[in-house]
Amino acid sequence: QSVLTQPPSVSGAPGQVVTISCTGNSSNIATGSAVHWYQRLPGTAPKLLIYSNVIRPSGVPDRFSGYRSGASASLAITGLQAEDEGDYYCQSYASRLNGPWVFGGGTKLTVL
Amino acid sequence: QLQLQESGPGLVKPSETLSLTCTLSGGSISDIRYNWGWLRQPPGKGLEWIGSIYYTGSIYSNPSLKSRVTVAVDTSVNQFSLKLTSVTAADTAIYYCARQFRDIGNPSFWYFDLWGRGTLVTVSS
Repeated sequence: QSVLTQPPSVSGAPGQVVTISCTGNSSNIATGSAVHWYQRLPGTAPKLLIYSNVIRPSGVPDRFSGYRSGASASLAITGLQAEDEGDYYCQSYASRLNGPWVFGGGTKLTVL
Repeated sequence: QLQLQESGPGLVKPSETLSLTCTLSGGSISDIRYNWGWLRQPPGKGLEWIGSIYYTGSIYSNPSLKSRVTVAVDTSVNQFSLKLTSVTAADTAIYYCARQFRDIGNPSFWYFDLWGRGTLVTVSS
């Protein structure tokens, strides 16, 4: 069982908006630890998508955006494209009891 | 081109030691901005951080695995390695090596900005 909780799957049609949630607790996200997001497309290495809650690395389209509040965070994808289909993971920092760097279980995005 | 590549046996017997190496090309493992980490993903489960090492040899380990994990770095050949002892079927996973950005002093802001493609390690007799 992963420390951070994500929905197992989300789906949307091309052009639509989807949101993926990442829920933590008082030992990780709620302490103010940053949340980062990764994308893993089929057959490829994981790729950093969002870091420090809201920052997109160079080359990541502005269709991807991150948000953090309290003990949770979310990733929004606007203008959904077929190439976005894959797995998405959130990551944060926890107390040494269960970390310190912890991940969500991952969310499978299906583009309908 | 900057990239990480994992290498090592794809099959390990129960109770034996899993050994993997990660080679960095196109960059320097002595770059002061980064740690070098190992992560894994068992079938059907989420990602799990195993451990990270700085080029000086400073090590960060997942408490749940710490007693079985050894992480080492060899700056002369731009490689770092993972050893996991006394493996069981529960250690079957895709193992990734990754670069961990640590430029900001606070570890709660560190993240993995470059990943290898991963290598499947199966524990079976």
